[in-house]
Amino acid sequence: DIQMTQSPSSLSASVGDRVTITCRANQRINSYLNWYQQKPGKAPKLLIHTASSLQSGVPPRFSGSGSGTDFTLTISSLQPEDFATYYCQQSYSTPYTFGQGSKLEIK
Amino acid sequence: QVQLQESGPGLVKPSQTLSLTCTVSGVSISSGGYYWTWVRQHPGKDLAWIGNIYYTGTTFSNPSLDSRLTISVDTSKNQFSLKLSSVTAADTAVYYCARGGATAGKLDYWGQGTLVTVSS
Repeated sequence: DIQMTQSPSSLSASVGDRVTITCRANQRINSYLNWYQQKPGKAPKLLIHTASSLQSGVPPRFSGSGSGTDFTLTISSLQPEDFATYYCQQSYSTPYTFGQGSKLEIK
Repeated sequence: QVQLQESGPGLVKPSQTLSLTCTVSGVSISSGGYYWTWVRQHPGKDLAWIGNIYYTGTTFSNPSLDSRLTISVDTSKNQFSLKLSSVTAADTAVYYCARGGATAGKLDYWGQGTLVTVSS
């Protein structure tokens, strides 16, 4: 299985801050990397697919980059509704594994 | 609008079989182009991909569950299902169904999730 490692596991930030979350795969996955946002008690929501493509309806303050093994999710200016847990997922080969999550909390 | 809804027992006894169904609306499973997927999340933990199925019946399963797992599709009812046999407490989780892209594998629509507890 491909192992996905996110950092940091948790972070605190303020409204208006720029935040970056990193995801690393233990083998090359080209651009088959997706990002999800999950709020407590809710299903994950797709934000970014194929590393850098913004899912329809997602605000442009979210962006993704990277290819190969190293990827980043950036939120350019945090809004109150962005405090949640973020997961990366590789869809290069089954089983499509997820990272352990990065919990974004209000400072 | 695409919607998915999980259904099934919320409590299963150890050693029995966990059975869940996902009912899809707003798109026909038999139209192709998507892999219909199961994901679970242990309480307070991260997400785990269980497996998926194409409308033709082709499946991909997580090897860690493969010996206990059956995923099936009923295109006439626009549903797909999961059966996990010989369950233990370690199978207690929220189970989600989702629609997966056939090429990029993104999970773009999800059900609300259903908590299944394994306990006697």
